Amino acid sequence: QVQLVQSGAEVKKPGASVKVSCKASGYIFTRYYIHWVRQAPGQGLEWMGIINPSGGSTTYAQKFQGRITVTRDTFTSTVYMELSSLRFEDTAVYYCARIDYTSGSYTDWGQGTLVTVSS
Amino acid sequence: DIVMTQTPLSSPVTLGQPASISCRSTQSLVHSDGNTYLSWLHQRPGQPPRLLIYKISNRFSGVPDRFSGSGAGTDFTLKISRVEAEDVGVYFCMQATQFPHHTFGQGTKLEIK
Repeated sequence: QVQLVQSGAEVKKPGASVKVSCKASGYIFTRYYIHWVRQAPGQGLEWMGIINPSGGSTTYAQKFQGRITVTRDTFTSTVYMELSSLRFEDTAVYYCARIDYTSGSYTDWGQGTLVTVSS
Repeated sequence: DIVMTQTPLSSPVTLGQPASISCRSTQSLVHSDGNTYLSWLHQRPGQPPRLLIYKISNRFSGVPDRFSGSGAGTDFTLKISRVEAEDVGVYFCMQATQFPHHTFGQGTKLEIK
């Protein structure tokens, strides 16, 4: 079955960077886009960016342009999301998610990675 | 970006009674391919969201038939015919028509009275 397994929780200081990984299994990695979505404590869901694992092309939300980099490693079927210049308001759970073409929606999610920005 | 607005933001419901959540978008969600990529997700505390309904009214695999979706264009509704204890949590509508800049509603918290 499809699985997206993310790296563990992180605590970072303001101004630092964080890199979260998302290892995919159970399907052909290069055939499905991977999205990144975050959720601040007690808040809603916010789309951050997308990568096409086949060619590596990316698109980011305007809000994160210049601070976010999403990459992939096709040999390990892993996608990485790096967010730099961290601020207190970047404290959130970060999810990777896969869209299924039949449904046009997120059918599979990682378990989430809590990133805490604290001085 | 398309803005999604849900009402109500909180919904106390009695077990066995129906519940309804509305979602409105700032522009039509009809895609050029003819599909409307409006989904409903359910999230329990400490868990990632899970897909309930896709393309307005299609139940995802394993979703009970007490859940139904309807609507068109910019106005959509999720209905639960008889609320069960496991239905508590937060419900989000989501649009994927404007690919890849997907957007979500603010969430509606369903709780038992």
